[in-house]
This record gives sequence, structure tokens and C-alpha cells, in this order.
Amino acid sequence: GQSLEQPSEVTAVEGAIVQINCTYQTSGFYGLSWYQQHDGGAPTFLSYNALDGLEETGRFSSFLSRSDSYGYLLLQELQMKDSASYFCAVPDSGGYNKLIFGAGTRLAVHP
Amino acid sequence: GAGVSQSPSNKVTEKGKDVELRCDPISGHTALYWYRQSLGQGLEFLIYFQGNSAPDKSGLPSDRFSAERTGGSVSTLTIQRTQQEDSAVYLCASSPSSGANEQFFGPGTRLTVL
Repeated sequence: GQSLEQPSEVTAVEGAIVQINCTYQTSGFYGLSWYQQHDGGAPTFLSYNALDGLEETGRFSSFLSRSDSYGYLLLQELQMKDSASYFCAVPDSGGYNKLIFGAGTRLAVHP
Repeated sequence: GAGVSQSPSNKVTEKGKDVELRCDPISGHTALYWYRQSLGQGLEFLIYFQGNSAPDKSGLPSDRFSAERTGGSVSTLTIQRTQQEDSAVYLCASSPSSGANEQFFGPGTRLTVL
């Protein structure tokens, strides 16, 4: 089967940098995605990594190491609006027809 | 443009009743997914439609759950004889194709079974 592990909660202050880790176990690997979900809201896509290395998009960056089955989401210059749940996800080993999600990391940003 | 829409936004029903949840994907998106999210949990895959192909129903938790997609657009998820453990947020997503990296989610339907 496939599984993803990520911390349940992370707390940080405004302006700081926070890293949310994700380790995965898959029988086949087709990339690692990150989604953000505010309370009561829809998940929204943040990033996708298929190859090793760091992908930067504004204040958010995502990293992947396929040899370690590990990735992380890096959030810089934290703002209060970044308080949300963050999910890592991988496509099912059978292909792209469904995503397997981690349980989510709840980020609380404090003043 | 319009995103994925779902209706109703909230549904309260009694145990044993049937419910229908609707999803309108983004126009032109051929892939459509249903997920379920219990309180404080991750998303659990339910079913996937791609064009006119047979749906992938591998995530449906029981035969009380079914879904259809008419005309390659609107989808309806039906839960028969609802149980309390069916209470969750049901999320629909669409993507331009099955190989797309990004899925676009609707706001979800919060189902409460009393």
C-alpha cells in the first residue's frame, strides 16, 4: 500500500520560516504535491515535484528527495493568512487517477 | 472563470435516508474525482471519472455509495441508507486530464447524519 506521514501540528510566528516534512511509502512514484486548506475551505494546489531538488514559488518552496522518499514544504516570511492545514499527496501507484493524501499538518501562525 | 461548484453546501439527514450530492466541474475538464474528508483528517479517495471511460470505483467504502457522471460533465454522488459514519465533508475535484498535476477542488458538501 501507500502511505504518507507528516507532523500533525506546527506553530510559528509571523515573519518566520517554517518547514513541513512529508515522508512517503509508495510502490511506484509519480511525484509529490502539496495542497493548502483553510478551515472550511477547499484544498488548493501549491506545488508539485517530480524530480529531486527545490522548486520555488514566491514565499513557498517545495523540496523532494526521491532516494529518501522525503519532501518538505518551506514557507518563508510567514503571514497570519498562512494559518491553514497543509497536505502532501502522491498519485496512486496505478497512475494519475487518484491522489493519496497525508493526514495534514495544521500550521498556526501567531503575531 | 467559474471554479468547481458543489451543492448543497450542507446536508443534514436522518439515518437510513438516501442523499444525493452534486458536483459541477470546471468546463472542459475531463477528469473528475470525489473525495471524503472526516473532521481533522486527510482526504480519502472515493471515485474517479475520466471522459467516457469506466469509472475507477476502488475507493467507494460500501455498495451504499454510487456515483454517475452525465454527459461528461455534472456528477452526482449518491449514498443510500445513510449511516452516522457517513458524516463527513464530500469534496469534488476536476482536472484538465487524468495526467494533470493539479486538481481543482470545490468547496465541498458537509453531510451530517443524525
